[in-house]
Amino acid sequence: DSGVTQTPKHLITATGQRVTLRCSPRSGDLSVYWYQQSLDQGLQFLIQYYNGEERAKGNILERFSAQQFPDLHSELNLSSLELGDSALYFCASSVSGESRYEQYFGPGTRLTVT
Amino acid sequence: AQSVAQPEDQVNVAEGNPLTVKCTYSVSGNPYLFWYVQYPNRGLQFLLKYITGDNLVKGSYGFEAEFNKSQTSFHLKKPSALVSDSALYFCAAISTGSARQLTFGSGTQLTVLP
Repeated sequence: DSGVTQTPKHLITATGQRVTLRCSPRSGDLSVYWYQQSLDQGLQFLIQYYNGEERAKGNILERFSAQQFPDLHSELNLSSLELGDSALYFCASSVSGESRYEQYFGPGTRLTVT
Repeated sequence: AQSVAQPEDQVNVAEGNPLTVKCTYSVSGNPYLFWYVQYPNRGLQFLLKYITGDNLVKGSYGFEAEFNKSQTSFHLKKPSALVSDSALYFCAAISTGSARQLTFGSGTQLTVLP
């Protein structure tokens, strides 16, 4: 168990809908990362937050947004969902925003868009 | 731009034999390098990392990796494979320079045959 929790575990929704994925980092970790894992794209970095502030942005669509709250949990919002958004979404946390620290991954949220 | 290549989608090895999972990277400047493992329906687990110093890095579960700067490689090794090592392995890299996001390889499925 990495100490990173993600809810829900599974999510099934229809095209055009909006969903929110939630992540709680390991105790003491200030940095949260979001990734998308799909068969065709592999593991793609979406966005990073450090202590409430956006730190880095990757291949995140404009329909997606995220935030990190004062208690350090984070939410990833996906809107106007398309079939191609079906994927496994991982949250990871690390003690610092610096790149030399390893990241600890949650179990993921499997999103299915029908 | 950063990139990580794992040239083998699949590696099969007999239990008790040594295993190698290959990784090459391209980053500007000096790299930080990581190996992660993913078991079915689980998040990624950190195995080991190279930051600086000794080119041979030892990690969890008896795994080690060798950093080779001239060949820009960071191959994962284990002297004696176990059936329980069967999983998906990801190599990841980040530049110690300005890039903040970790770039992952496409993953190598390791199967250890009893």
